[in-house]
Amino acid sequence: EVQLVQSGAEVKKPGESLRMSCTGSGYNLFNYWLGWVRQVPERGLQWVAIISLADSNNRVSPSFQGRVTISADRSTNTAYLQWNNLQVSDTAIYYCATRPAVDGSPLDHWGHGTLVTVTS
Amino acid sequence: QSALTQPRSVSGSPGQSVTISCTGTSSDVGRYNYVSWYQQHPGKAPKLIIHDVIQWPSGVPDRFSGSKSGNTASLTISGLQAEDEADYFCCSYAGTYVPYVFGTGTRVTVL
Repeated sequence: EVQLVQSGAEVKKPGESLRMSCTGSGYNLFNYWLGWVRQVPERGLQWVAIISLADSNNRVSPSFQGRVTISADRSTNTAYLQWNNLQVSDTAIYYCATRPAVDGSPLDHWGHGTLVTVTS
Repeated sequence: QSALTQPRSVSGSPGQSVTISCTGTSSDVGRYNYVSWYQQHPGKAPKLIIHDVIQWPSGVPDRFSGSKSGNTASLTISGLQAEDEADYFCCSYAGTYVPYVFGTGTRVTVL
């Protein structure tokens, strides 16, 4: 069974940085990528970034390039999402999800989410 | 990349059918057969219910069905049940560097 365990809730001030994690189990890391999607309260979903655990090949949404870095540790099957210069508008639930290692595949298993609150 | 457009809400009585539209462009929905749909209950993570326009993941009832015509994809829920009350999001592939563009979301209410 695929399981994704995300790091705990965070409270940050504007301008601060944040690193969140997602550790997967129950699947072959060479067959899946890990991605992040965020959900602003009462609003929709936004894709943030995605990375291959096998070789760290990655994609970052043009909307967040320059503020977001995605990385991976193959030895622990963990992906990390680093945010710089956080803004109040970054307050959201951040979900990680798996995607089969074929372009065009859907996000098929989702973690429980990490709540990030950015407030002065 | 702009979000795909969905109606804010649809409703139906138990046993009825409802259809949710998802309108994109010729760069996403119209170009690729990689449209997926996600169901989200309050306080829960999204759950994949349709992928590749018409395919069901294991365990998803066939009351949910997908289709696509031109730049618009649709999700139909047949035989509406109380547990179908949730938010639904469509999602389209838009190329290797923008693999996911989500819809604005639709709340389904079972009357």
